[in-house]
Amino acid sequence: EVQLVESGGGLVQPGGSLRLSCAASGFTFSSYWMSWVRQAPGKGLEWVANIKQDGSEKYYVDSVKGRFTISRDNAKNSLYLQMNSLRAEDTAVYYCARGTSCLLWGQGTLVTVSS
Amino acid sequence: DVVMTQSPLSLPVTLGQPASISCRSSQSLVHSDGNTYLNWFQQRPGQSPRRLIYKVSNRDSGVPDRFSGSGSGTDFTLKISRVEAEDVGVYYCMQGTHWPLLFGPGTKVDIK
Repeated sequence: EVQLVESGGGLVQPGGSLRLSCAASGFTFSSYWMSWVRQAPGKGLEWVANIKQDGSEKYYVDSVKGRFTISRDNAKNSLYLQMNSLRAEDTAVYYCARGTSCLLWGQGTLVTVSS
Repeated sequence: DVVMTQSPLSLPVTLGQPASISCRSSQSLVHSDGNTYLNWFQQRPGQSPRRLIYKVSNRDSGVPDRFSGSGSGTDFTLKISRVEAEDVGVYYCMQGTHWPLLFGPGTKVDIK
């Protein structure tokens, strides 16, 4: 089955760190750009970051630049998002998605930044 | 950066009637490769988003043919020919031509 499964979300204090993972299966992971998209409670979708197939290109929304790092391990069919210096406004469901046009989505993992 | 707008933001519809959502970008979405990377997504309540349309007018596999996309340059439209109960949710356009990628604010579709 073609799917993406996110994990790693949870409650973290402001200024803390968290690493999200996304496990891909059912397709050739190394052939696709991958994306992270987030959705704050009751709000719309916000693109967060993209990474090229070989990891050589990475792009971020301005609000996370310098704090978040997207990476991937093609041997493990996995995508990651390292999130540092977390803020309350980073509270959201984080989705991984396949490609820059986001055909395939995971179920999401909730990150809550609160003291 | 590109700015994406959608209208209306709320759309009450009658079952069986058509519905139309507009999406506008502040810059042309025609890429240097000649493609226009404008996509449409549906998010039903409590679910992950689902892509419906890619590159303006191409319907994804499994998407009912009552959904159609059109437009060019900076003006785009998603149409539902006859709204069904399962179409309730929020619809987002998204541009993939320019970095940063950007979703529109969303249009909430519900039944009158």
